[in-house]
Amino acid sequence: SQTIHQWPATLVQPVGSPLSLECTVEGTSNPNLYWYRQAAGRGLQLLFYSVGIGQISSEVPQNLSASRPQDRQFILSSKKLLLSDSGFYLCAWSVWMGAYNSPLHFGNGTRLTVT
Amino acid sequence: DQQVKQNSPSLSVQEGRISILNCDYTNSMFDYFLWYKKYPAEGPTFLISISSIKDKNEDGRFTVFLNKSAKHLSLHIVPSQPGDSAVYFCAARSSGSARQLTFGSGTQLTVLP
Repeated sequence: SQTIHQWPATLVQPVGSPLSLECTVEGTSNPNLYWYRQAAGRGLQLLFYSVGIGQISSEVPQNLSASRPQDRQFILSSKKLLLSDSGFYLCAWSVWMGAYNSPLHFGNGTRLTVT
Repeated sequence: DQQVKQNSPSLSVQEGRISILNCDYTNSMFDYFLWYKKYPAEGPTFLISISSIKDKNEDGRFTVFLNKSAKHLSLHIVPSQPGDSAVYFCAARSSGSARQLTFGSGTQLTVLP
């Protein structure tokens, strides 16, 4: 069965520090991978998605970047964190079913607090 | 521009009664709709979905209704249980899109014992 691992679960970082959040998926090949953010009191905002190694699409221009160095690995990064980067970050995967994507499957998320 | 809207941030229901969560959308290209359930400090989990060619889909205690002309969908939970207390997100997507889902802002459901 497929599983998704996301770490760390919580993170407190000072403003201006770098960020690296990692997500890996097991049990499936060539998944579509996604990074979402849930800000306090708001819905889920799509940040990046990837349909293959090295292929990254950015939905919202901001202080973050994403990379996909391996088929089942997705990394969210920042060179210098801002206070506004605080939030709950979620990694997710889906697979292409031929004519549509399967429902998204989410990891347990990372609570990031920038101080 | 919010393409998927959940106008009620919270809803309280007595155990055993029906919970009705509502969702409106504006993009007529959406053809598949999903509901996700989220507990605190966890990722959302898929609950139920409906294609635009249907107007109802049922799975146990959960039923989703779609009114395409009104661009409105709803999730009914009958009977409601305390374990159903969570945030419920409505989501929608266009066919053939790897971009996947557009989410609403969520509704916090509290089922009172």
